[in-house]
Amino acid sequence: QVQLVQSGAEVKKPGASVKVSCRVSGYSATELSMHWVRQTPGKGLEWMGRFDPEHDETIYAQKFQGRVTMTEDTSTDTAYMELSSLSSEDTAVYYCSTIIPVTGTGAFDFWGQGTMVTVSS
Amino acid sequence: SYVLTQPPSVSVAPGKTARITCGGNNIGSKSVHWYQQKSGQAPVVVIYYDRDRPSGIPERFSGSNSGNTATLTISRIEAGDEADYYCQVWDSSGDPWVFGGGTKLTVL
Repeated sequence: QVQLVQSGAEVKKPGASVKVSCRVSGYSATELSMHWVRQTPGKGLEWMGRFDPEHDETIYAQKFQGRVTMTEDTSTDTAYMELSSLSSEDTAVYYCSTIIPVTGTGAFDFWGQGTMVTVSS
Repeated sequence: SYVLTQPPSVSVAPGKTARITCGGNNIGSKSVHWYQQKSGQAPVVVIYYDRDRPSGIPERFSGSNSGNTATLTISRIEAGDEADYYCQVWDSSGDPWVFGGGTKLTVL
């Protein structure tokens, strides 16, 4: 069974950066494209981007271009999402999620538990 | 980017049928996935590829997709179905993975 375990809550000041981790178990992270989705308080889901380790390729949502970096450490099966130049509008729960080809759903089959990032002065 | 439009809220009495729509330009030509998100939890897939159910999802959940509207139908509503529901598609232009704004299902 695939499990995605994320790092703990963060509190950051405006202008700072935050780096959230997502450790994969039950599957090889090198075979998974890791997506990041955020959810601002009381709002919906917002796709941020994807890192494809097989092709060493990233796709970022236009909204986050230039501010987000997604990477992966294959030695520890851990994916990372770093968001810079934080503002109060970035206060949200950040999820890692993946689409597992073998399930055949084509949907986001597995999700991390979410990481709350609070941006406050 | 492709836009998906959902009603903010739907209310239904226990035992009745809830229908949650997801509107998009020619959405019938795309594959739609639906997620259920209960308070404080991560989303869970309830319908994939328009109408298929993952194992463990009750048969009460069904989906359809045609024209400019996809629909998630939940029959014989139970209190435990109260949650936010999101539609999602993959689009070849703009941001590839797109979510609808979500619909809060309230069981009266």
